[in-house]
Amino acid sequence: GQSLEQPSEVTAVEGAIVQINCTYQTSGFYGLSWYQQHDGGAPTFLSYNALDGLEETGRFSSFLSRSDSYGYLLLQELQMKDSASYFCAARGGQNFVFGPGTRLSVLP
Amino acid sequence: DSGVTQTPKHLITATGQRVTLRCSPRSGDLSVYWYQQSLDQGLQFLIQYYNGEERAKGNILERFSAQQFPDLHSELNLSSLELGDSALYFCASGGRGSHNEQFFGPGTRLTVL
Repeated sequence: GQSLEQPSEVTAVEGAIVQINCTYQTSGFYGLSWYQQHDGGAPTFLSYNALDGLEETGRFSSFLSRSDSYGYLLLQELQMKDSASYFCAARGGQNFVFGPGTRLSVLP
Repeated sequence: DSGVTQTPKHLITATGQRVTLRCSPRSGDLSVYWYQQSLDQGLQFLIQYYNGEERAKGNILERFSAQQFPDLHSELNLSSLELGDSALYFCASGGRGSHNEQFFGPGTRLTVL
């Protein structure tokens, strides 16, 4: 089957750095995406890694290791507005699979 | 605002009924994706259309069907509705950028009573 695993919850304080891990098991893997979803809202795209290594976009960075079937999303200088659910997602063959989501709570 | 529109925003119906959800993609996007999000199942990919043709199929039930029209808008038809079909249904478009990003619409919340 195809599946992605990520922690269910992460808590951090404003200004801190947090890392959300994702391990995947998919056939015909193309790349790993990350999405943010606030309560009551729609998922919004954050980043995509097709190749091994680190991709940086402002305060957010994403990393992929194909050999380890592993990736992570790194959020720096956390702000209250970063409190949301974060999903990793992968295309495996004909299917787009999302992880179960990690709920990030940023405390003052 | 992602540029993807979905109607209706909310839908309440009874078991056994049939409903149609509508999605208009961002201008220029040829792909439309449909997802179901429920509390216990997370985001589930249902189906993808590209320029009117079915491109990929996920965990879509036989009671569900979709199509994409020449103007690229898409409709998801749900029939013989069951209580378990209550969920948020998202449409997304895109997938043409180098980052393979999808742009999600605001969703349709379906409640089956």
